[in-house]
Amino acid sequence: DGGITQSPKYLFRKEGQNVTLSCEQNLNHDAMYWYRQDPGQGLRLIYYSQIVNDFQKGDIAEGYSVSREKKESFPLTVTSAQKNPTAFYLCASKPRAGGETQYFGPGTRLLVL
Amino acid sequence: AQSVTQPDIHITVSEGASLELRCNYSYGATPYLFWYVQSPGQGLQLLLKYFSGDTLVQGIKGFEAEFKRSQSSFNLRKPSVHWSDAAEYFCAVEVRGSTLGRLYFGRGTQLTVWP
Repeated sequence: DGGITQSPKYLFRKEGQNVTLSCEQNLNHDAMYWYRQDPGQGLRLIYYSQIVNDFQKGDIAEGYSVSREKKESFPLTVTSAQKNPTAFYLCASKPRAGGETQYFGPGTRLLVL
Repeated sequence: AQSVTQPDIHITVSEGASLELRCNYSYGATPYLFWYVQSPGQGLQLLLKYFSGDTLVQGIKGFEAEFKRSQSSFNLRKPSVHWSDAAEYFCAVEVRGSTLGRLYFGRGTQLTVWP
């Protein structure tokens, strides 16, 4: 079955710790995206990547980092610089950047201990 | 600046009643338009989309939406709501012609369905 997988489903971060959220897709999509969701705020774009080895900051990139070394993988690291990381994180992908439907993974909920 | 407005934060309807969720956007040209649905703790599922052509689009689960250029709106409708439709609904737009392909989302409308 083709799709987008995110792991883990729940993640706990200690103060000062970096954590990495996994996003994998087997849809052969070029473009991938990370969104943060907070209650009542919709989805806000963190980072996006149109092709392998290339990515751009979104609207709220501070405190986050990404890599795109493989077409199917787009991991997101939440660094210690992100002071309010508690949120639901959603990964998405689409065949190419423009004019296509974006498909979403099941999400990872990050909680701070 | 681009913006997507969903004016209703929370809507409550009785099962079997009709439903309309509002969405307005602010852009220079007609964007690509999407409606997604999200159940608690889950990802987003595409309900329907408008790229061009017929301004009344049909989606999954009996939903439809109408694009009105003059009102910059893309309202979602369902003639008879089922209890399983209770979820959060997001309107989103993509700037037409953009090479970035990013979506701009509204803040969502939470739908509660009374039995």
